[in-house]
Amino acid sequence: QQQVKQSPQSLIVQKGGISIINCAYENTAFDYFPWYQQFPGKGPALLIAIRPDVSEKKEGRFTISFNKSAKQFSLHIMDSQPGDSATYFCAASIGGGNKLTFGTGTQLKVEL
Amino acid sequence: GAVVSQHPSRVICKSGTSVKIECRSLDFQATTMFWYRQFPKQSLMLMATSNEGSKATYEQGVEKDKFLINHASLTLSTLTVTSAHPEDSSFYICSARGGYGELFFGEGSRLTVL
Repeated sequence: QQQVKQSPQSLIVQKGGISIINCAYENTAFDYFPWYQQFPGKGPALLIAIRPDVSEKKEGRFTISFNKSAKQFSLHIMDSQPGDSATYFCAASIGGGNKLTFGTGTQLKVEL
Repeated sequence: GAVVSQHPSRVICKSGTSVKIECRSLDFQATTMFWYRQFPKQSLMLMATSNEGSKATYEQGVEKDKFLINHASLTLSTLTVTSAHPEDSSFYICSARGGYGELFFGEGSRLTVL
């Protein structure tokens, strides 16, 4: 599988702050980039996804920024809340609905 | 939203036994399902792609004779871990492709082999 590199491995943010997680990919054939949220003992849940024809997508407090030339994309969580504490995975696939290559995950903790 | 159900959510078995995990799409038909494996504090690794009515496609390094996948209907795929050993203990997660290409994940099945 082609790699998707994710950083940081862990992140602590104060309540109300901005959480930023970054991913970089290698395979230029990837054209679908979703972000998933996973709580302990649960399956991942889709947060937001982007395709390379746009540079930014926003849904509520979650924003994806995409840089096609740098082969990088990032997740911004605005006004971070304790309930956002979870593990976040970026992923990539060739075509939506196809097999995903996941990043290594970021454990986010939002402190009061 | 669409729901994907996995059963059992937790299973403990003795070494050498076989364990079957079910993945069902409850309110939609899924011609394609994917099986992932996740070790503690690690990422999800794709094991195989399951297509209804045909043989599964396994990722490199995944033993097809050990991890038997059957996708006999449009709403059910099963993963059987044969002759399980402690190193097979893991969190197994399935996902199903919806009609518009979106992927829905199950809640996962935690296998512990003693």
